[in-house]
Amino acid sequence: AQTVTQSQPEMSVQEAETVTLSCTYDTSENNYYLFWYKQPPSRQMILVIRQEAYKQQNATENRFSVNFQKAAKSFSLKISDSQLGDTAMYFCAFFYTGTASKLTFGTGTRLQVTL
Amino acid sequence: DTGVSQDPRHKITKRGQNVTFRCDPISEHNRLYWYRQTLGQGPEFLTYFQNEAQLEKSRLLSDRFSAERPKGSFSTLEIQRTEQGDSAMYLCASSLPTGTRTDTQYFGPGTRLTVL
Repeated sequence: AQTVTQSQPEMSVQEAETVTLSCTYDTSENNYYLFWYKQPPSRQMILVIRQEAYKQQNATENRFSVNFQKAAKSFSLKISDSQLGDTAMYFCAFFYTGTASKLTFGTGTRLQVTL
Repeated sequence: DTGVSQDPRHKITKRGQNVTFRCDPISEHNRLYWYRQTLGQGPEFLTYFQNEAQLEKSRLLSDRFSAERPKGSFSTLEIQRTEQGDSAMYLCASSLPTGTRTDTQYFGPGTRLTVL
């Protein structure tokens, strides 16, 4: 079974600064995807970024980028130029392509962006 | 693309009552998932459909829970004889088949259930 660990329950960053959210996972599989999802207060879960495990290049989406270390089973999210609208819960999630079914989520990191 | 929709958004019920939730996936998505999210936790997988076939069920899905997707489009999740421990946000997600970039799961707004 796969597990996902987010060791930072809460983080705070000032507007325009950079913040990194940590995620580690445990799996014996080789083919999988990793995701970061964002869940703003009282709003729905939206995809931030996705990484295919077979790709060595780290994924980027505008101000969001990841540091994917497959051997270390680490998948951190960097948010540059933080904005007030980035305030949300951030969930790291694992998807094994073999079963083609469930996402396994971490417990989340609550990010607060302040003025 | 109108996104994944769920109905109702909120449901308050008394213990022992039955409740039913509906999910309408993105129209071209043939995979549909149900998750449960309790306060302060990440979503936990409940069950998954490909077209009308229910292919996987979590051990979290007790005998009181049943899900259907009769025509391979919308899905319903029914909870019978609700218990206070069923209080949670029930999330629906949909996707295209694995193997393309579009196999990413997209989530609906959720149905928040409160059992009194």
